[in-house]
Formats: sequence, C-alpha cells, structure tokens
Amino acid sequence: AQSVTQPDIHITVSEGASLELRCNYSYGATPYLFWYVQSPGQGLQLLLKYFSGDTLVQGIKGFEAEFKRSQSSFNLRKPSVHWSDAAEYFCAVVGDSNYQLIWGAGTKLIIKP
Amino acid sequence: NAGVTQTPKFRILKIGQSMTLQCTQDMNHNYMYWYRQDPGMGLKLIYYSVGAGITDKGEVPNGYNVSRSTTEDFPLRLELAAPSQTSVYFCASSADGGNTIYFGEGSWLTVV
Repeated sequence: AQSVTQPDIHITVSEGASLELRCNYSYGATPYLFWYVQSPGQGLQLLLKYFSGDTLVQGIKGFEAEFKRSQSSFNLRKPSVHWSDAAEYFCAVVGDSNYQLIWGAGTKLIIKP
Repeated sequence: NAGVTQTPKFRILKIGQSMTLQCTQDMNHNYMYWYRQDPGMGLKLIYYSVGAGITDKGEVPNGYNVSRSTTEDFPLRLELAAPSQTSVYFCASSADGGNTIYFGEGSWLTVV
C-alpha cells in the first residue's frame, strides 16, 4: 500500500535561512507527488506538484521540490524563508485509485525572528 | 471567486445529536471529497464523489453519510455524534481526480 512519511513533526528556522522539508513515499509505479501548505485556521493550498519530466519542480511563493526516485523522496526547499512561511506543510501522493491522495502527517514550520 | 465553501465554520454538538456539514463549489468540478484532520495525523479521507449521484467510502467512513444530488453540493451527515468525531473537517474538489485539489477553509466540530 502507498504511504507518505514526513519525518519531522516540527522544524524551526531563522528568518532568512534556507529550508528543507523531507518527504518519503512508498509507491510501486511512477508517483504523482504534491506539496500543500496550510496556514493557521485556513484550508490547504497547493504549492507544487510533480507528475513527470524535470525532477526539479518550481512552485509558488519561491518554493521548489526535487523528486529523487532512488531515494523515494520529494523534499521541499526554499533558499530564504520569510516569517509569512510559518505554516504546516503536507506532502501527498496519488493513490492506486487515482481518486485519492495519500497524505503525510505534516511538518509544522516555525520561523525565528 | 468563491471556490469551495463549507459551513458552519464552528459547531459544538452533544453526544448523540445529528448535523450536516454543507459544502458547495462553483468551479464545476466533478470530484469532491470530505477529509477530517486530527492533530498530528494528517488528513484522512471520509468519503468522496466522482460525479453527481456517485459516492464512495474513503479511509474512515464509519459514522458519516454523504449525498451528491448536484455537481455543486456535497453535504456530510453525522447521524449520532460521538466524541471521536471531534475534528476539523475539510471539503475539497478537483476537476480531474488526483490532480490539483482545492480546499474549503474547514469546519471545526467539537462533540461533548
């Protein structure tokens, strides 16, 4: 069965520092992968997605993610975080049914001033 | 542009009461979903629909029911509320299955 693991429950980063959020998936075929962000008290917004092609994917708000098949990973990165990036970030993969997303438990990003 | 709208935003229920969470989308999406989000657990799919008149169970359907009489609306019914149903509920829609999913702002439900 497919699964998504986000190993870090919380990450604290200083404003202006670089960021990497980890995501590992378990899926037999070529996965469709997503990163979503959830600001406090809000719904989820799509940051970026990978379906095929270039393994480095650019998203909104200056985020990017790199698909590494050999490591079953799809880590999210940003070169310089802003206080407004404080939120919870979710990685997801499309399941076998193609109707459903399998979600990671999320990583809460805390920004230090 | 409203997107996905769900109501109510907050609700407190007593054990055994019933209620319906309303969800409507104005993007003419075929696919709609109901998720619940518990702290530290990520999102769990309750029910989903691939079009009007078609619904199916997700990962955690027990205690819930849905209907999809129109493309726009996908209400979620709790028949006999239990404390285990205290959670944040998100309605979502997408045009084409597992592709980009658009979320409502969430409904905070507490069962006491």
